[in-house]
Amino acid sequence: DAGVTQSPTHLIKTRGQQVTLRCSPKSGHDTVSWYQQALGQGPQFIFQYYEEEERQRGNFPDRFSGHQFPNYSSELNVNALLLGDSALYLCASSLGAAPGETQYFGPGTRLLVL
Amino acid sequence: ILNVEQSPQSLHVQEGDSTNFTCSFPSSNFYALHWYRWETAKSPEALFVMTLNGDEKKKGRISATLNTKEGYSYLYIKGSQPEDSATYLCAFAGGTSYGKLTFGQGTILTVHP
Repeated sequence: DAGVTQSPTHLIKTRGQQVTLRCSPKSGHDTVSWYQQALGQGPQFIFQYYEEEERQRGNFPDRFSGHQFPNYSSELNVNALLLGDSALYLCASSLGAAPGETQYFGPGTRLLVL
Repeated sequence: ILNVEQSPQSLHVQEGDSTNFTCSFPSSNFYALHWYRWETAKSPEALFVMTLNGDEKKKGRISATLNTKEGYSYLYIKGSQPEDSATYLCAFAGGTSYGKLTFGQGTILTVHP
């Protein structure tokens, strides 16, 4: 079992550009959540996808959007990048969206916006 | 806005010491409390999911307790080893956000040989 995988591992972009991050969930998992971790803080919830629909969303602007594919993999898109978007982006998968389900995390994508 | 607080922010102990840290969370509309261990350059590793008041979970030398009425959870490590050095995160699931995890800022544990 490969666990949760994310690509790319690192990315450098400039302000105003757009970026797409990818996540493959753990085998058998159907729910994917995305988190942003800024330096010195805990991960902040961006949104959650289940059955190819965004089910929950955190306090992030519309510049952050996502998608879930029929094979349950997911993408996070960020448009019009700002310097403040520099962070570690974590993907987590679970079997269903219930709060008691363990969310398994990938290693993250480190995004640097210059 | 949900507030999840962890204390202390960082902790240095000697190998063999036992240690504990705290996670405080809202006591209303509780669904679950998750604990994770996050070693540098690795993925966060799930330790426990706790759902019932009075829950106690154990995994090797690590254990956790839960008090949902007063809104806190303790994580204990018995006989700390250098490989226990990591950031320990708690995450609250509750309120109006069903599957969303709200994380604390973490406790950074360093175990010195």
